[in-house]
Amino acid sequence: DIVMTQSPLSLPVTPGEPASISCRSSQSLLHSDGHNYLDWYLQKPGQSPQLLIYLVSNRASGVPDRFSGSGSGTDFTLKISRVEAEDVGVYYCMQGLQIPPTFGQGTRLEIK
Amino acid sequence: EVQLVESGGVVVQPGGSLRLSCAASGFTFDDYAMHWVRQVPGKGLEWVSLISWDGGVTYYADSVKGRFTISRDNSKNSLYLQMNSLRTEDTALYYCAAPAAGLLGPLDYWGQGTLVTVSS
Repeated sequence: DIVMTQSPLSLPVTPGEPASISCRSSQSLLHSDGHNYLDWYLQKPGQSPQLLIYLVSNRASGVPDRFSGSGSGTDFTLKISRVEAEDVGVYYCMQGLQIPPTFGQGTRLEIK
Repeated sequence: EVQLVESGGVVVQPGGSLRLSCAASGFTFDDYAMHWVRQVPGKGLEWVSLISWDGGVTYYADSVKGRFTISRDNSKNSLYLQMNSLRTEDTALYYCAAPAAGLLGPLDYWGQGTLVTVSS
């Protein structure tokens, strides 16, 4: 199975400041079709996970443009340009290259 | 509006059985693969199983293989998870989820989850 490793696991951020979360995979997520099969999810407190970003850098419908994703191969990053109070929750990366799909441990973003 | 509504979660004894259901609406259910993902309260997400749009292809996590069976009834817009030989470590909130495309596409839609507690 592909192991997904996120860092940091806890991320306190002042509103208006940027934030960055790293996700590394134990194998390359680059498919022969040229896509990296890496998605990001946000689970807000008391809610189900919601898709944030798919295929590394594509924002899901309704996701603000302060969220961006980058990376390739085994190293990926989710960035929030200016954190807002509504961004609190746990962020997960997930690989969809091979079965079983696997998630990172999660990064808890909190407001300072 | 897409809706996924899970049900069937209860308290069950170790070794017992349970069937979870997921009722889908707001989209053409039989066009989509479906997944089950679980989450121990306060912990991370664990993928459990998936089924193709027609039910012809299924996959399972090693942790549930041989004990859980995923199925669907497209005539009822419903997804199921038959859980047998339950263990305490199966205690979790079980979500059904749907990718907008493909078997392993990003999980665009999630239900609210149903809680399964395995305890004596």
